[in-house]
Amino acid sequence: DVKVTQSSRYLVKRTGEKVFLECVQDMDHENMFWYRQDPGLGLRLIYFSYDVKMKEKGDIPEGYSVSREKKERFSLILESASTNQTSMYLCASRSQSGENTGELFFGEGSRLTVL
Amino acid sequence: AQSVTQPDIHITVSEGASLELRCNYSYGATPYLFWYVQSPGQGLQLLLKYFSGDTLVQGIKGFEAEFKRSQSSFNLRKPSVHWSDAAEYFCAVGARGFQKLVFGTGTRLLVSP
Repeated sequence: DVKVTQSSRYLVKRTGEKVFLECVQDMDHENMFWYRQDPGLGLRLIYFSYDVKMKEKGDIPEGYSVSREKKERFSLILESASTNQTSMYLCASRSQSGENTGELFFGEGSRLTVL
Repeated sequence: AQSVTQPDIHITVSEGASLELRCNYSYGATPYLFWYVQSPGQGLQLLLKYFSGDTLVQGIKGFEAEFKRSQSSFNLRKPSVHWSDAAEYFCAVGARGFQKLVFGTGTRLLVSP
């Protein structure tokens, strides 16, 4: 079974703290993504990576950075958390070849609360 | 740039009744189209996708969707809804040779007894 694992389901942090959200996939997928999900706004793309050490800004990259040192791992970093970053964060991966091309596989999400 | 509109925020359907969730997209060429479902507290699961060919596509859990180029629509349907279908449904569009998907704002489906 394909699997995308997000290390933390629930996090509570204080304003100004540095936050790391980790995502690991076991499918040898080239592409990985970080979305944030907010009620009424759907999923908005923060960053994506189409290969190791490669990254592209999505639609809402401000306040975030990412790291992809290994193919299976894609980390989202909040350098200085703010209350408006309270949200559900979803990681996804995708293959660029094969019958599942295009399909995103999602983790279960990390719900971050910034106080 | 691509965009997706899901005009219905909430829909309530009686168990056993038919369902149609609307999705309209904006994209200049033939898109890749997807429907995903999210159960409470879970990530998103793919229901079905359209890349090319037959415009009526079948998915998991008895869902189907029809691509209508003239209407820029990709509506999701199910002939008989079950209580377990209560969830949030997202339509998404991607460009050919794409790197990212653009999602709609979602439709929350409630199923009444």
